[in-house]
Parts: sequence; C-alpha cells; structure tokens
Amino acid sequence: QKEVEQDPGPLSVPEGAIVSLNCTYSNSAFQYFMWYRQYSRKGPELLMYTYSSGNKEDGRFTAQVDKSSKYISLFIRDSQPSDSATYLCAMRQTGANNLFFGTGTRLTVIP
Amino acid sequence: EAQVTQNPRYLITVTGKKLTVTCSQNMNHEYMSWYRQDPGLGLRQIYYSMNVEVTDKGDVPEGYKVSRKEKRNFPLILESPSPNQTSLYFCASSARRRTNTGELFFGEGSRLTVL
Repeated sequence: QKEVEQDPGPLSVPEGAIVSLNCTYSNSAFQYFMWYRQYSRKGPELLMYTYSSGNKEDGRFTAQVDKSSKYISLFIRDSQPSDSATYLCAMRQTGANNLFFGTGTRLTVIP
Repeated sequence: EAQVTQNPRYLITVTGKKLTVTCSQNMNHEYMSWYRQDPGLGLRQIYYSMNVEVTDKGDVPEGYKVSRKEKRNFPLILESPSPNQTSLYFCASSARRRTNTGELFFGEGSRLTVL
C-alpha cells in the first residue's frame, strides 16, 4: 500500500464550478499536509499547507484535513481556466526530512 | 529573482554514458533534494542534503550519486545510466527552519531519456 493515495483523474469541470480534490494516507504520524500545484512543463509550487487537523482558507482555495479518517481535501471555488494544472498532495511527519507525495490529479477548467 | 536552476532541461543519452544534472539555488537554502517524477508513481525522493557535506538517501537512491560541496549547488550524478532512469527530474530547496512546513522550491525539471 502506498503511503499516500490520490486519484489521478483527469478531472474536467466548467468554469465557475467548485472542485474537490482528495488524498488518503496510511501513516498516522503525518502532521504536515500540503497541496502543490504543477503547471505543464513546470516544477510544483506550494499552494497551501496545514498543520494537523482543521481547515485553512486562502482566497478561492480551502484545505481540509481530517486526521481521524486520514483524509485531506482541497476545494477550489469559482474555478478558472488558469486553475488548470496538476495538483499534488504531500505530507510529512514532524521532524522527518522526507515529503511523501500523491501521484497528482490533473485538472482542466473549461471556459 | 529567487529560483532553483537545473541544467540541462532536456537530455537524451545512451546506456552507460555518465552524466551530471546540475542544480543551483540562489536563496541561501540549507536543504536541497532531488526527486524523480514518473507517471502513476508521482514524485519520489532520490537524495537529499541538510547542509554542506551532509547528504542522505531518499526512497529511490540506487543508480544515483550526489555531492554537496557548496551550499548553493547540489548536482545529481548518474555514473552508468540505464533505461529505467528515463524520467523527469526535479531539484528542490528549502530554508531548513521551514522544512517542516514543506515549503520546497522546485526547479523547472530536467527530462532525461536513456536509450
């Protein structure tokens, strides 16, 4: 079993839709949870991070962590064509060096 | 401009021909790392370095070497490349104090094909 599971998609939505991206994980020691966005032919960029359980909002983006279910989500409201990218979840244990990534979900927002 | 620079961006080589992918960052970051990205497997860590002269294996170190002689540079060396090392490679760096937040800064990637 992989440490982090993520549905690879692809996911296509119309402009303005609400998008939900999700990851599950198996290691209960993970405490730091991140979402990276990767545009085509580019390196990943950190979009959001949260520590432990709870929600975090940044503009149109909301990250949720449910540690009891080992489940994290990223919601994108009022999606835009510029949101078209691959979204990677990532997580880490406190004090550990290695970051475990999901395989990424490719999202296309259709104008 | 703060950035991580990798070279070459694209490379086609043949089995057994030694190659080096360079990585340089201008943010004075202590932590640097190499990942490979493959379809269906995501990003997997090859090697990382917590500081100058300090390196350690990641999840998939076989067939790779690294060195960290200067803070800004972290080259990835393939002594005898094989076709299963055909992949997209990313170098990343982070200020060590922020390592736990996961705020890695990535280069733009190096696409390597080994024939």
